[in-house]
Amino acid sequence: AQKITQTQPGMFVQEKEAVTLDCTYDTSDPSYGLFWYKQPSSGEMIFLIYQGSYDQQNATEGRYSLNFQKARKSANLVISASQLGDSAMYFCAMREGGVTSGSRLTFGEGTQLTVNP
Amino acid sequence: DAGITQSPRYKITETGRQVTLMCHQTWSHSYMFWYRQDLGHGLRLIYYSAAADITDKGEVPDGYVVSRSKTENFPLTLESATRSQTSVYFCASSSRPTSGNTGELFFGEGSRLTVL
Repeated sequence: AQKITQTQPGMFVQEKEAVTLDCTYDTSDPSYGLFWYKQPSSGEMIFLIYQGSYDQQNATEGRYSLNFQKARKSANLVISASQLGDSAMYFCAMREGGVTSGSRLTFGEGTQLTVNP
Repeated sequence: DAGITQSPRYKITETGRQVTLMCHQTWSHSYMFWYRQDLGHGLRLIYYSAAADITDKGEVPDGYVVSRSKTENFPLTLESATRSQTSVYFCASSSRPTSGNTGELFFGEGSRLTVL
C-alpha cells in the first residue's frame, strides 16, 4: 500500500486565489511527522512546512498552512493568495516513528501546481 | 555557506561502467540520504546513513553502493550502470530530530545521470 498518496497530478489556480493540495498517508505508528516540499522548475527541493502527529495546532508558515485531519489521515497543504512564483511541483512526505528514528522520509508522487495570471 | 553540494551535476555514461556521485555537507549533520527522482515515482530512498560508518538500505538499494568514512561525505556508487538507473539523484542531510527540531531534510541541487 502507498504510504503517501497525492491524488492530484496537476492543479491550476488563478493568481491571488487560495489552493489546496491533497495528501493522505498510511501508517500504524502513533508517532510520525508530515512534511511538504516545493520543487520549482529549476529542480531544487525547498522545505515548506512540518506537522508532528502530536501537534495540537495546524502548522502555519506565512502563506502556507497544513490542514491536518488525523482521523482521516490527511495532511493537505493550503496556499493562500497564490503567486506566479508558486508554480512548482509539490511533494508531501512522511517520517514514521518518533524523533529517535531519524529522518527517513517517504515521498508522494507530487502535484504540479500552475498559477495562472 | 556551501551547505550541501553534489558533483557532478550532470553525467552521461554507458551501460556497465562504474559511476560515483559525490555528496558533501558542511553542517555536520548526523544523517545523510540518497534519493532518486523519477517521473511517476516521486523521490525514492536508495540508502541512508545515521552517522559515519553506519549505513542502511532504503527502498531501492539494488545496484548501488555507499560508504561514509567521514561525517561530511556520502558518495553513491553505481558499480555497473544500467539504463534503468537513468535518473536525477538527490543527496540530502538532516540533523537528529528533537522535540525542538523537525529534522527536515536539506537537499543538494541534484545530479542528473544518463546511462546510454
